[in-house]
Order: sequence, then C-alpha cells, then structure tokens
Amino acid sequence: DIQLTQSPSSLSASIGDRVTITCRASQSLTNYLSWYQQKPGKAPILLIYAASTLQSGVPSRFSGSGSGTDFSLTITSLQPEDFASYYCHQTYNTPWTFGQGTKVEFK
Amino acid sequence: QVQLQESGPGLVKPSDTLSLTCAVSGASINSHYYNWIRQPPGKGLEWIGHIFYTGSTNYNPSLKSRVRMSVGDRSKNQISLKLNSVTAADTAVYFCARGTSWAAAHWGQGILVTVSS
Repeated sequence: DIQLTQSPSSLSASIGDRVTITCRASQSLTNYLSWYQQKPGKAPILLIYAASTLQSGVPSRFSGSGSGTDFSLTITSLQPEDFASYYCHQTYNTPWTFGQGTKVEFK
Repeated sequence: QVQLQESGPGLVKPSDTLSLTCAVSGASINSHYYNWIRQPPGKGLEWIGHIFYTGSTNYNPSLKSRVRMSVGDRSKNQISLKLNSVTAADTAVYFCARGTSWAAAHWGQGILVTVSS
C-alpha cells in the first residue's frame, strides 16, 4: 500500500496567516493526489485534485503543488472558516489511501 | 446538483452483517466511481473500496474478505455496501462518495454505524 505522511499533524495559526501542509508519499504518485477539508461532523470537501487543480467553487486562497512523492497545500490568507482538518488522498494505486490528517487550529 | 444519501441501520450486532445503501440524486449512476469510505470516531479516513458504474469493483485488501459492493436498483440510482462479520473495530461513520480516478467531488453526509450487542 502507498503510505501518505502529512506534516504537521496539527498547527496553530491566526487569521490572515499563510499556512502550508505537506504530504509525502512512499512512492511516486505522478499527480494523482487530491486534498480535502473536513469540519467536525461533516463530510470532507474536495479542494484540489490532480495535485494542483482547484475544484470548482473553492476559494482561490487554496492552492496545491507538487508531483511524484512530495506535495503541498497552501492557504495564502487564513480565514475563520478555514479552521478544519485537511487530508491528502492518493488515487494512483489501489488501495487508495489517505494521509493521517492535519488539524488547523486557532492560535 | 448531485447529492448522495447513505441509509441503513445505525446499530449492528457483533458478527452480523452491516448493510448500507447510497441513494444518488441529480445524476445517473451510469457513470463515475462510487466509493465507500469510513471514519472511526476521532480518527482519519479509510478507503473501503469502490464500484464502477459497470459493476466492476476494487476493495481494500484489509477488508476484501468481508466486503461486497453492488449496484442496486438502477431505476432508484442506488449503490449498496455489505460488510460481514463486523466487530467493534468497524464502528465508524460510513460515507459514500462519487468521483473519478482523480478524486471524489461529491459526498454523502455520512451515517454512523455502531457495532455493539
């Protein structure tokens, strides 16, 4: 199975901060990597697919980059509604897998 | 607008079979992958497997011997999940999610299934 390791596992940030979350894969994914946001008690929401393509309707302050084994999700100016957990997800090989998640908390 | 809705028992006894249905509205099930993903309380996401609209399936090896997905009544646009021989470790919120080989753009709200006697 492909392992996805996210870092950090949690972070504290303030409104307006630039936040970057990284996701490292145990083997190359080319660009079959997506990012999701999840708030407590809710289903995940797709933010980014194909490593860097912004899903329709997602604010442009979210961006993704990377290829191969190293990827990142950046929020350029953190907004109150962005405090949530974020997961990376690979669909390059089955079984599809998720990172362990990164919780973004208010500082 | 594509919407998915999971349904089924919220409580299942140990060793019994967990059976869930995902109803799709706003789109035909005759396209896309339909994934089942679960999340134990307070933990991360686990991909259970998916079924393609043709009926072909792919399961997580960790659950493969116990899981079965099928396309239900196509006139009702339904997908089903069965997981047998459940234990407390199968207690989780179960999501169905519609997507492609790139990602899942549409998710149901999820259903909490508790395994307990």
